[in-house]
Amino acid sequence: AQSVSQHNHHVILSEAASLELGCNYSYGGTVNLFWYVQYPGQHLQLLLKYFSGDPLVKGIKGFEAEFIKSKFSFNLRKPSVQWSDTAEYFCAVKDSGRYSSASKIIFGSGTRLSIRP
Amino acid sequence: EAGVTQSPTHLIKTRGQQATLRCSPISGHTSVYWYQQALGLGLQFLLWYDEGEERNRGNFPPRFSGRQFPNYSSELNVNALELEDSALYLCASKTTDNEKLFFGSGTQLSVL
Repeated sequence: AQSVSQHNHHVILSEAASLELGCNYSYGGTVNLFWYVQYPGQHLQLLLKYFSGDPLVKGIKGFEAEFIKSKFSFNLRKPSVQWSDTAEYFCAVKDSGRYSSASKIIFGSGTRLSIRP
Repeated sequence: EAGVTQSPTHLIKTRGQQATLRCSPISGHTSVYWYQQALGLGLQFLLWYDEGEERNRGNFPPRFSGRQFPNYSSELNVNALELEDSALYLCASKTTDNEKLFFGSGTQLSVL
């Protein structure tokens, strides 16, 4: 069964620091990968997604993620964080293989990011 | 355009009771996902409905069930409530051909 692991539960950074949040998944087939963000008091929303093509994908608010198939990873990065990036970040995966009509989107446990002003 | 709406916002029940949670997807969305968000556990996949059919379910006992109505709204039922069912239940919707999920604000279920 597919699964998603986010090893960083809580990350604390100062403004302007660089960010990298880890995400690993376990599924050997073709996958669709996502990062969602939940800002305080707001709904979960899509940050970026990877389906195919260029493994480096860019999302909203200066975020990007790199799909490394050999490492089963899809880490989220941002060169310089801002206080407004304080939020919880969730990695998600959907298998898009042979039985994609029954495939589901599953999420990791989330990483809470706190930015010190 | 209205987003995904969930009701009620809060629900307090006692052990052994039954809870019904409701979700209205965005207009034009035919797919509804249900997730349980318990403290520290992230989003646990519960159920996925598409075009009125249950497409997949997560590793939850059968007392978690649901359905999708012809207007694509959905209902999640939890029978024989247990204390550990206390959590935020999130509903999300999408179109069949787009994998982007749109989330509601959730129903906070407290089991006493």
